[in-house]
Amino acid sequence: TQLLEQSPQFLSIQEGENLTVYCNSSSVFSSLQWYRQEPGEGPVLLVTVVTGGEVKKLKRLTFQFGDARKDSSLHITAAQPGDTGLYLCAGDTGGGADGLTFGKGTHLIIQP
Amino acid sequence: DAGVTQSPTHLIKTRGQQVTLRCSPKSGHDTVSWYQQALGQGPQFIFQYYEEEERQRGNFPDRFSGHQFPNYSSELNVNALLLGDSALYLCASSLAQAQYFGPGTRLTVL
Repeated sequence: TQLLEQSPQFLSIQEGENLTVYCNSSSVFSSLQWYRQEPGEGPVLLVTVVTGGEVKKLKRLTFQFGDARKDSSLHITAAQPGDTGLYLCAGDTGGGADGLTFGKGTHLIIQP
Repeated sequence: DAGVTQSPTHLIKTRGQQVTLRCSPKSGHDTVSWYQQALGQGPQFIFQYYEEEERQRGNFPDRFSGHQFPNYSSELNVNALLLGDSALYLCASSLAQAQYFGPGTRLTVL
């Protein structure tokens, strides 16, 4: 059974601060996806990383895939209240032919 | 371009009843996956449909079944509902690796 551990589970910081969320596993993934979910809604895809060591940037968000494709991180610079939400990482072992394995998520609150 | 749509939005059932949830995939997507998300947890994979057949299945009992139609839309059926089946049920469609989620159906079992 593949497991994805996310840390921290909860994070509350002030607007303007930086933060990093981690996603770790003992399994190798062919790709890893990050999602953001708001209460009562479905997860919204932020990014897919495929290559070990890959770094992708989405405005103030920086995503990195570990060299061994077992872990990933999400770094947010100058967090804003609009960044508040549940951040989920999800690993794909089958190149799209299998279901995604999700972590439990990081609940992020950015206080004004 | 419409994204993934699901119906109904909310549903209340009693124990022992049966329920059918529906999903229309994003235009051009041929693969549909279903997930169950309990409160405070990440989504759990139920099963995936491709070319009208179940391609992969997660650790869910046979009470959970599904179907995919020629237009790629899909249904999730749950029989003999239990209190523990209360959750947000998410449908995701994909063409390659990235999966795009619908807004979900909130099922409450009383």
